[in-house]
Amino acid sequence: EAGVTQSPTHLIKTRGQQVTLRCSPISGHTSVYWYQQALGLGLQFLLWYDEGEERNRGNFPPRFSGRQFPNYSSELNVNALELEDSALYLCASSAVDSAYEQYFGPGTRLTVT
Amino acid sequence: RKEVEQDPGPFNVPEGATVAFNCTYSNSASQSFFWYRQDCRKEPKLLMSVYSSGNEDGRFTAQLNRASQYISLLIRDSKLSDSATYLCVVNKGWGKLQFGAGTQVVVTP
Repeated sequence: EAGVTQSPTHLIKTRGQQVTLRCSPISGHTSVYWYQQALGLGLQFLLWYDEGEERNRGNFPPRFSGRQFPNYSSELNVNALELEDSALYLCASSAVDSAYEQYFGPGTRLTVT
Repeated sequence: RKEVEQDPGPFNVPEGATVAFNCTYSNSASQSFFWYRQDCRKEPKLLMSVYSSGNEDGRFTAQLNRASQYISLLIRDSKLSDSATYLCVVNKGWGKLQFGAGTQVVVTP
């Protein structure tokens, strides 16, 4: 069974630019979660999407946004990039009856210069 | 106080030995917990879910103490491949998992 996939693997952007990250969940999973892990820091919850709707959001500014498509894949958009946005962005998915057991993709490493 | 606290380690463990470490959490209403392992610069991998008093999976045993609000992870017969950072995770509800900063384990030959 294929796991969670994310693209791109690495990305380098300039401050002020916009970026879109993509995630495909495990087949059969309807929930997608996004996390930020800055270097040396723990995972910080960003967003939760389920059945196409945003269900919960972490303490991040509105320039972090996303969406979930009918096939349950998801995008994370970050506008007006700042240097502090440099981090590993992880996507996870879970099944509806899994009590939030989340399975992670390999992540997208974003560097903002 | 952090919501999830872990001893960062490192715990240096001889191959074949047993190692155990704890994680404390602040929200007494938390219902479910997880242990993930994370290798350097890789994604976290789910190791074990803990819903009641504990769980066992091969060489790994997790214990939950709700009265004292801590979860422990014990690794028996440590292997070199067990070297990783172990993340304690608390389910806060509404899809939000609160991750601890991790405990580093180094298994030595």
